[in-house]
Amino acid sequence: AQSVTQLGSHVSVSEGALVLLRCNYSSSVPPYLFWYVQYPNQGLQLLLKYTSAATLVKGINGFEAEFKKSETSFHLTKPSAHMSDAAEYFCAVSSNSGGSNYKLTFGKGTLLTVNP
Amino acid sequence: NAGVTQTPKFQVLKTGQSMTLQCAQDMNHNSMYWYRQDPGMGLRLIYYSASEGTTDKGEVPNGYNVSRLNKREFSLRLESAAPSQTSVYFCASSESGTPSFYGYTFGSGTRLTVV
Repeated sequence: AQSVTQLGSHVSVSEGALVLLRCNYSSSVPPYLFWYVQYPNQGLQLLLKYTSAATLVKGINGFEAEFKKSETSFHLTKPSAHMSDAAEYFCAVSSNSGGSNYKLTFGKGTLLTVNP
Repeated sequence: NAGVTQTPKFQVLKTGQSMTLQCAQDMNHNSMYWYRQDPGMGLRLIYYSASEGTTDKGEVPNGYNVSRLNKREFSLRLESAAPSQTSVYFCASSESGTPSFYGYTFGSGTRLTVV
């Protein structure tokens, strides 16, 4: 079974500082990997995804993530944090439950706070 | 706007009461999902429907039932609500087959409190 581990339930950075949110996955087959963002009292929005093309994936709002097979990691980064980045971030891995059916398994989330 | 619509947005139930959470999507997606979100637990899959006419259990199905009414609609029913079912419930949809280019589309959630 696939699984996702997000290191750090809460990350705090200063505005303008580097954002690094960690995600490690476990998968017996080449995975599809996703990062989602959830702003307070809202649903989840897709930030970016890896589906076996380029290992460095660029997403919305200046975020990017790098797939490293040797480290089974898919860490999310942004060079310079903005106050509007404050949200909860979820890493997810797709799992094939048989045939062509896929479903997502989520990590427990990382709450990002940005200090002025 | 195209997307996933969930109703109601908020609900308070007494222990033992029943209710149905509604979900509808207008993107012609084949697959639909119900997740629950609890603090520190992330999102956990309750049930999913790979296509119209099929439903399968996810990680935490106990205490829930689902109905895929048609291609657009996927409802979640709590037959006898318990305080442990206090949570935020999200419906999502996707194209079938390999994960769609746009990933999964989520609704805005239903915040359920069972007292």
